[in-house]
Parts: sequence; C-alpha cells; structure tokens
Amino acid sequence: AQRVTQPEKLLSVFKGAPVELKCNYSYSGSPELFWYVQYSRQRLQLLLRHISRESIKGFTADLNKGETSFHLKKPFAQEEDSAMYYCALEGMSGGSNYKLTFGKGTLLTVNP
Amino acid sequence: ETGVTQSPTHLIKTRGQQVTLRCSSQSGHNTVSWYQQALGQGPQFIFQYYREEENGRGNFPPRFSGLQFPNYSSELNVNALELDDSALYLCASSSLFSGGALNEQFFGPGTRLTVL
Repeated sequence: AQRVTQPEKLLSVFKGAPVELKCNYSYSGSPELFWYVQYSRQRLQLLLRHISRESIKGFTADLNKGETSFHLKKPFAQEEDSAMYYCALEGMSGGSNYKLTFGKGTLLTVNP
Repeated sequence: ETGVTQSPTHLIKTRGQQVTLRCSSQSGHNTVSWYQQALGQGPQFIFQYYREEENGRGNFPPRFSGLQFPNYSSELNVNALELDDSALYLCASSSLFSGGALNEQFFGPGTRLTVL
C-alpha cells in the first residue's frame, strides 16, 4: 500500500522567513514524488517533481529514501506563495497501472 | 493548446439518484484519471482510463463507473448516490508512456457535487 503523510494542516510564516512543508511517504517500490500547488480560485497544478531536480519559484525538495521524506523548502517565503500544497506519490496500482496518491495538504499562509 | 475542462461546474442531487460528470482532456493526451476530493482532504484516486479501457482503480465501489471516448474525453458515472459522495470531482489528463509511467497530469477545475 502507498501512503503520503503531511503532518501539518496549517503553516503560517512571515514574508522573508524560511519555509519547510513536510511530507513523508510509505511505498515498497521506488517512488516518484511530486509537489502540487493550488492557489486561491485556481486549479491544482504541478509545482515540482523529484526526478527533474529543478527549483521552481525558489522551492526545492529532496527525496530522502532513508527517512522516506520529500520535504518542500524555500529559503525566503513570499506573500504570493500562500496556497494549498499537496505532496503526491506516483506508484503502481496493480499490474502496470500508475496512480497518484495525495497527502491531505498543507495550507501555507505567508504574512506581510 | 486547450486545457482540461469539466462540466458541469456544480451539481445538486438527492440520495439514490444517478449522476454523470464530463471531462475533456488536454490536446495530445491519451489518459484520463478521476479523483474525488472530500472537504479538507487530498484528492483520492478513483480510476484511470487509457485508450478507452479502464487502466487501474482505487478503493471505490462498482457504482462508480466511467467511460473514455475515441477523442479521449471521459465520463464519470455514479449510481445510487449517497450523502458521502458529496465532494469535488477532479479529472486529470496525461500521456502514458509505452513503459507504463505517467507523464505530468494536468487537472481540470473540478465539478462540485452535493448530495442531499
């Protein structure tokens, strides 16, 4: 079974402060991990995926297989980063089928 | 390139009724996945369609069924609606590689279903 845990439902920081959104996963195989973001009144969209190793909008995430974690980090939060963030794992859904399993999400608020 | 669209935006039904939700996939995509997002939860995988065939299913009962058409658009049907079916239903389109891995999924805006 695959599971994604985001322990913080809400996270509030001040502008310019570092931010870390936590994500832990459970999966027996080799996972592919993603962060999706949903800004107010917008649709869910991909922020970054671990295999690309990119930094998007200043965010980075490192896959730690030992700790089964994929925490999202940004050194200096901006007000426009306020959004709902979902960690997701792509794994097998039986046979050769792939599916995304999402965490419950963390609502990030960046205060001025 | 048009994005993923879903219809209707909102829907109100009563217990026991049946509902059909629709999704038009993004141009060039051959796979549609459906998710249920209850209030305060992350999206939960219902099933996926690839080239008109069901290609994986989550823990949802058989009264949740779907179709994919030759143009890769898709429908989600729910029979015998229950109060707990009230949720935002999301579809996402993507391209499935020949090896089975999914490319990035692009989400639609969702259909908000309320069951009274």
